[in-house]
Amino acid sequence: SQQGEEDPQALSIQEGENATMNCSYKTSINNLQWYRQNSGRGLVHLILIRSNEREKHSGRLRVTLDTSKKSSSLLITASRAADTASYFCATVISGYSTLTFGKGTMLLVSP
Amino acid sequence: DAGVTQSPTHLIKTRGQQVTLRCSPKSGHDTVSWYQQALGQGPQFIFQYYEEEERQRGNFPDRFSGHQYPNYSSELNVNALLLGDSALYLCASSLDRGAQYFGPGTRLTVL
Repeated sequence: SQQGEEDPQALSIQEGENATMNCSYKTSINNLQWYRQNSGRGLVHLILIRSNEREKHSGRLRVTLDTSKKSSSLLITASRAADTASYFCATVISGYSTLTFGKGTMLLVSP
Repeated sequence: DAGVTQSPTHLIKTRGQQVTLRCSPKSGHDTVSWYQQALGQGPQFIFQYYEEEERQRGNFPDRFSGHQYPNYSSELNVNALLLGDSALYLCASSLDRGAQYFGPGTRLTVL
């Protein structure tokens, strides 16, 4: 079953613009992770945020976590065409290590 | 340093057949997890192997089985294939319950 739900399902922007994707989940978590997938191939780990953290940055990525609302957002600043991919949030429940993924957001960045 | 590798890349089988997919973990990793990703969906957890034992299992029937060898490599076996088993099968490795690194996947088509 899917734990997280990303919103929007698809996003189309121009190069240089910012892209924001949201993720909601259902149960309490240990951490939440964001992954990128190009053309239906392997997943690339982008960033991990723990349940006691509220915001985290990595390069052009900014992730926020609101455990009271059971939601997270991923912001990609100054998007590039190479950022075109599907983005997934995945949650990890305390005591386990397995990832539970949402359905993903397809991001298209046009030159 | 080689990352996670999977073989084969693509596979075509017919209903009722059996298939074996293989995964070599990233150097230094001892845990292997398998995920199934249907078209347009997020990956779903199948099972996780640690110290040659199945440590955790997702909501998949017994037709799905696995194995982990002393060198930490792993196999995923699916018996009595159904059309609905057509998917991208992803292997991820980690050091125990640490961050998971994904391979490129095996695309299975069942006709």
